[in-house]
Amino acid sequence: DAGVIQSPRHEVTEMGQEVTLRCKPISGHDYLFWYRQTMMRGLELLIYFNNNVPIDDSGMPEDRFSAKMPNASFSTLKIQPSEPRDSAVYFCASSPRGARANYGYTFGSGTRLTVV
Amino acid sequence: DQQVKQNSPSLSVQEGRISILNCDYTNSMFDYFLWYKKYPAEGPTFLISISSIKDKNEDGRFTVFLNKSAKHLSLHIVPSQPGDSAVYFCAASVNSGYALNFGKGTSLLVTP
Repeated sequence: DAGVIQSPRHEVTEMGQEVTLRCKPISGHDYLFWYRQTMMRGLELLIYFNNNVPIDDSGMPEDRFSAKMPNASFSTLKIQPSEPRDSAVYFCASSPRGARANYGYTFGSGTRLTVV
Repeated sequence: DQQVKQNSPSLSVQEGRISILNCDYTNSMFDYFLWYKKYPAEGPTFLISISSIKDKNEDGRFTVFLNKSAKHLSLHIVPSQPGDSAVYFCAASVNSGYALNFGKGTSLLVTP
């Protein structure tokens, strides 16, 4: 298995532009998570899906953020319009049983977003 | 508010010595704890976990200790190796939930 695949690896965009981050989870994993890592807040959960359905989006910072999972093999996190404070590393992770799996999640390599 | 806290941003240890990374939590409902390891430009990878019904779990050079009364857990690495240099994240979950709460991480540097 290729693991959790995220694209792009790096994204530099101008303030006000729309940004779309992509994630392909491990096949057979029913849970998909989006996390954001910053120096100030560490790894914070933005949203997670179970069987393609959003379960908890309380971590999504503002209405500018939206996430979708149209099918079991693809998810997107969109920021529109982007702001400099959105600069962070965004991780996607998947799991067969959420946090109850003995090993927790499998993370992708992340997308480093820079908004200038 | 941060429910999982790693109060030491960094730690430096000599090769061959013991590394002790600490983690505190505030939510008494947490019943499952994990440690992840992260190298630069990579995602976190699972290292070791412990259920709240145990107070110790060991896997090779890595041991996690849980003190529920103090709401504290620690990761011991013995002996430490230069390849252990990474950021270590503590994480916790509630039985009824499916999401992990992470600490901010501790950067470990193992020097030769």
